[in-house]
Amino acid sequence: ETGVTQSPTHLIKTRGQQVTLRCSSQSGHNTVSWYQQALGQGPQFIFQYYREEENGRGNFPPRFSGLQFPNYSSELNVNALELDDSALYLCASSTSTGSPYEQYFGPGTRLTVT
Amino acid sequence: KQEVTQIPAALSVPEGENLVLNCSFTDSAIYNLQWFRQDPGKGLTSLLLIQSSQREQTSGRLNASLDKSSGRSTLYIAASQPGDSATYLCAVRDDKIIFGKGTRLHILP
Repeated sequence: ETGVTQSPTHLIKTRGQQVTLRCSSQSGHNTVSWYQQALGQGPQFIFQYYREEENGRGNFPPRFSGLQFPNYSSELNVNALELDDSALYLCASSTSTGSPYEQYFGPGTRLTVT
Repeated sequence: KQEVTQIPAALSVPEGENLVLNCSFTDSAIYNLQWFRQDPGKGLTSLLLIQSSQREQTSGRLNASLDKSSGRSTLYIAASQPGDSATYLCAVRDDKIIFGKGTRLHILP
């Protein structure tokens, strides 16, 4: 069974740029969620995708957008980067069967905006 | 609006002691509650998941309880070890997943 993977591990961008982060779900999982974790804080829910459709969103502006592909991998896109976007970005996959909604997390992508 | 609070924010205990971490939430209409461990700069490792119909779950030295009516969960760690040092996060799921800020645990050798 393959776990959740994310790429890249680290990323440095300049304010105003755009970034794409990638996530591969755990085998057999059809739901992916993205979180932003600032230093010293708990993860904040950005949005969730189920079968390629967004089906839940947290309190994040539209410049945070996502995609889920037929193989259930996912992307998080952030436009017009701001300094406050610097954080650890985590994705988690889950399934609606078995142990429903148990979240399995990837190692995260550390984004630094300068 | 669901809010999740974890107390204490940080905890240091000598190796071998038993300890309890606390998590409280404001809205009892949850699907489940999940406890995670996070090592510095790393992702989250799931420890225990308690469905809303359950009262507790156990895995090895860990035991988590859930009291929906009072909006509380506890994570009990028995016979603590230095390798248990990490940040412990709880998260509740209603229509989305809300995390607490975590408890930073340090086990003193």
